[in-house]
Amino acid sequence: DTGVSQNPRHKITKRGQNVTFRCDPISEHNRLYWYRQTLGQGPEFLTYFQNEAQLEKSRLLSDRFSAERPKGSFSTLEIQRTEQGDSAMYLCASSLYSLNEKLFFGSGTQLSVL
Amino acid sequence: SQQGEEDPQALSIQEGENATMNCSYKTSINNLQWYRQNSGRGLVHLILIRSNEREKHSGRLRVTLDTSKKSSSLLITASRAADTASYFCAGDDKIIFGKGTRLHILP
Repeated sequence: DTGVSQNPRHKITKRGQNVTFRCDPISEHNRLYWYRQTLGQGPEFLTYFQNEAQLEKSRLLSDRFSAERPKGSFSTLEIQRTEQGDSAMYLCASSLYSLNEKLFFGSGTQLSVL
Repeated sequence: SQQGEEDPQALSIQEGENATMNCSYKTSINNLQWYRQNSGRGLVHLILIRSNEREKHSGRLRVTLDTSKKSSSLLITASRAADTASYFCAGDDKIIFGKGTRLHILP
C-alpha cells in the first residue's frame, strides 16, 4: 500500500453516462498526477496539480474530461458523455515536489464503457 | 517533456539470469527514475539516479546514466519469478512515461 487511495477500484458504465473518480493522495504531497493506461501501453499523462492549481493538461484530455483538486488535497476526475474509447485504467499519483521527485501511485480505477 | 522510451519492448529470460533494459530520453534532466508495474496495479518507484551520478545500486538493481547520450540502463541481477512486470523510465518535471519493457521471467 503506497498510501494513495483511488475509488472506485472498478467502474462499469454505459456509453453516454458521466463518471467521476476520486484520488486521495499522501497527505503532505503537494503534487498530484492523473494518467490513463490501456492494455500493453505505458501510462499516458493527462494532467497534474501543484496544490490546488492545475498546471498542465495533456492534449489527450478532451473537453469531456475535467479534473479538480479543490483544497489541494483529494482530486476528482470526471468524464462526461463517456465513449467506448474511454475504457482504460485511470491512475493517480502524488509526490512531494523536489529535485528528487518520486511518484507514489494508487492502484487505479478500471473503467469499462459498454 | 521528459519522456522516456524503453527498449526492448519485451524481454523473456530464464530465472537466475540477468535482465538489462534501456531507456532513452530527449531533453535535459535533473534525475531519471525507474518504475515497475505488476499487471493490473499502479507503478512502484524502484530507483532514482541524479544527473551527476553515473551508476547507482540498490539490492539486485543497477542503474547507469549517460547524460551525453541521454540514455540509461537498468540491470536486474539473478532474476526471480517475482521480477515479471513492466518497467518504465521517466525524467523529472511532469513525469511522462514511455511504453515500457515487459519482462517475463521463465521458470
